[in-house]
Amino acid sequence: GQNIDQPTEMTATEGAIVQINCTYQTSGFNGLFWYQQHAGEAPTFLSYNVLDGLEEKGRFSSFLSRSKGYSYLLLKELQMKDSASYLCAVRDRGSNYQLIWGAGTKLIIKP
Amino acid sequence: DTAVSQTPKYLVTQMGNDKSIKCEQNLGHDTMYWYKQDSKKFLKIMFSYNNKELIINETVPNRFSPKSPDKAHLNLHINSLELGDSAVYFCASSSRDPEQYFGPGTRLTVT
Repeated sequence: GQNIDQPTEMTATEGAIVQINCTYQTSGFNGLFWYQQHAGEAPTFLSYNVLDGLEEKGRFSSFLSRSKGYSYLLLKELQMKDSASYLCAVRDRGSNYQLIWGAGTKLIIKP
Repeated sequence: DTAVSQTPKYLVTQMGNDKSIKCEQNLGHDTMYWYKQDSKKFLKIMFSYNNKELIINETVPNRFSPKSPDKAHLNLHINSLELGDSAVYFCASSSRDPEQYFGPGTRLTVT
């Protein structure tokens, strides 16, 4: 079956670094996405990994290990505006290439 | 502004009613989607449509039907609304690039 796990909630301090983990099980992996969703708003795209390794984009980086079914999103120099939910999603060939979503990790940034 | 838009933003209605939610994208994308996000924040794909092929998530009740008058629009029609249909419904679109662009969401409350 398909399953995506990520922590429900994390807390971090402004200016610090936080790593949000995501583990997945799918029948036909075809890419992993991270989205950011502020409360009451739409998800917005952050990153896409299809090959193993680290993708860096400004303060945000995303890592993928396909053999381990594992990804993480790394947020550096945290700002208060980074308080949001971070959604991990996997594109699955076995599901007509549709995205299978995790429940999201609510990140709380404290001053 | 280039974007995905949907109307209405809020919809309050009674059980048994029929309602529609409209979605339009002016990004020139060829694939559109409808998602349901429940109170636990899980995003679940309901439909994807690229003007040639409609892919329906098998768990979606047949009370829900997508209607696409043209490539830029994918409306969601819901018959005989039930309490469990209360959720936020997001429209999204994509092209050859992997990321999906989401509309602002429609918060449906069934009383």
